[in-house]
Amino acid sequence: QSALTQPRSVSGSPGQSVTISCTGTSSDVGGYNYVSWYQQHPGKAPKLMIYDVSKRPSGVPDRFSGSKSGNTASLTISGLQAEDEADYYCCSYAGSYTLVFGGGTNLTVL
Amino acid sequence: EVQLVQSGGGLVQPGGSLRLSCAASGFTFSGYWMHWVRQAPGKGLVWVSRASTDGRSTNYADSVKGRFTISRDNAKNTLYLQMNSLRAEDTAVYYCAGGYPTWFDPWGQGTLVTVSS
Repeated sequence: QSALTQPRSVSGSPGQSVTISCTGTSSDVGGYNYVSWYQQHPGKAPKLMIYDVSKRPSGVPDRFSGSKSGNTASLTISGLQAEDEADYYCCSYAGSYTLVFGGGTNLTVL
Repeated sequence: EVQLVQSGGGLVQPGGSLRLSCAASGFTFSGYWMHWVRQAPGKGLVWVSRASTDGRSTNYADSVKGRFTISRDNAKNTLYLQMNSLRAEDTAVYYCAGGYPTWFDPWGQGTLVTVSS
């Protein structure tokens, strides 16, 4: 159950787009379409942003989108806004009835 | 309003036990899989355990298997995590979360568990 690999930090200016990657293996990200993404502001509980690779829960802006290619999943945030500044975590089903998170990515809006 | 309200955290000595609770309201608790996720101070999220809608199917991360037990009481709309043989590395904020087998929504507010002598 090794953690998925995410960049420690990314940044972008308001209005720009950023993409956060989440790399695993064929035993987790690559093997199932069960990748989800969470946004966490400091001191707060995480919030679901994307599930099943690319599905967006109601209430999540369509600026947030998810995709997957091979063993790497991606979260893209377009039209960056100041309130998007947060930590982002990916999570994948890892087989054997277990789930695994990525190490987290800190997004800075410049 | 959809809510998960947690209780039961605190300071415990190594080798000790603690039980966390998570009370649900505003949604059909019995229709949701339930999970526990933890976050050590300054670190990332780690999945701990999950229970099926009826509680008959439960799964655990290797790091807690044999020491932690997840359970639920659908009549009381409450999820539990019994933690035994606690270690310093179990120190974390513990979140309960509802959802499906492979994603989490909604989340509780989190409760801090500190394992220290």
